[in-house]
Amino acid sequence: GQNIDQPTEMTATEGAIVQINCTYQTSGFNGLFWYQQHAGEAPTFLSYNVLDGLEEKGRFSSFLSRSKGYSYLLLKELQMKDSASYLCASMDSNYQLIWGAGTKLIIKP
Amino acid sequence: GAVVSQHPSWVICKSGTSVKIECRSLDFQATTMFWYRQFPKQSLMLMATSNEGSKATYEQGVEKDKFLINHASLTLSTLTVTSAHPEDSSFYICSASGSAQGGFSYEQYFGPGTRLTVT
Repeated sequence: GQNIDQPTEMTATEGAIVQINCTYQTSGFNGLFWYQQHAGEAPTFLSYNVLDGLEEKGRFSSFLSRSKGYSYLLLKELQMKDSASYLCASMDSNYQLIWGAGTKLIIKP
Repeated sequence: GAVVSQHPSWVICKSGTSVKIECRSLDFQATTMFWYRQFPKQSLMLMATSNEGSKATYEQGVEKDKFLINHASLTLSTLTVTSAHPEDSSFYICSASGSAQGGFSYEQYFGPGTRLTVT
């Protein structure tokens, strides 16, 4: 079956670094997406990885290992506004996104 | 670029009535549109996928006669919740993928969502 696993909740301190892990099992693979969703709002796109390695985009970086079915989202220099849910989604062979349940990130001052 | 709008942003209706939600791609051609539902503190749940000009493909457990989806053009899809009941109260979000910014992308661009409350 298809499955996406990510932690339910994480807590980090303002200014610190946090890594949110995601493991996936899908029928075929056409890339791994990370989205950010603030409470009561729709998700917004953060990153897309289809090749192995690290993609850096400002304070946010995303890593993919296809052989391990593993990805992580790395957030640096955390700010209070980074408090949100982070959704991992794998695109299967039908180009359909299979969503994880999301990781709620709580930032403390 | 790649902006998706939804209307209305929120709606309150009485049990038994029908509600129509519109999803528009403002600056690109959305060959595929997706409708999601999200209950509080839960993840996105895909309801259906629709390609322009063809019937929507519904996920298992989603009643196609209750949630009517129309994708008549490359910029507009509608979701009609028929005979709404309190348990249909949820956050409905559409997303679209297609040709944007000079190329085709499978990335999904999300609308801002519609909060439906059925009393």
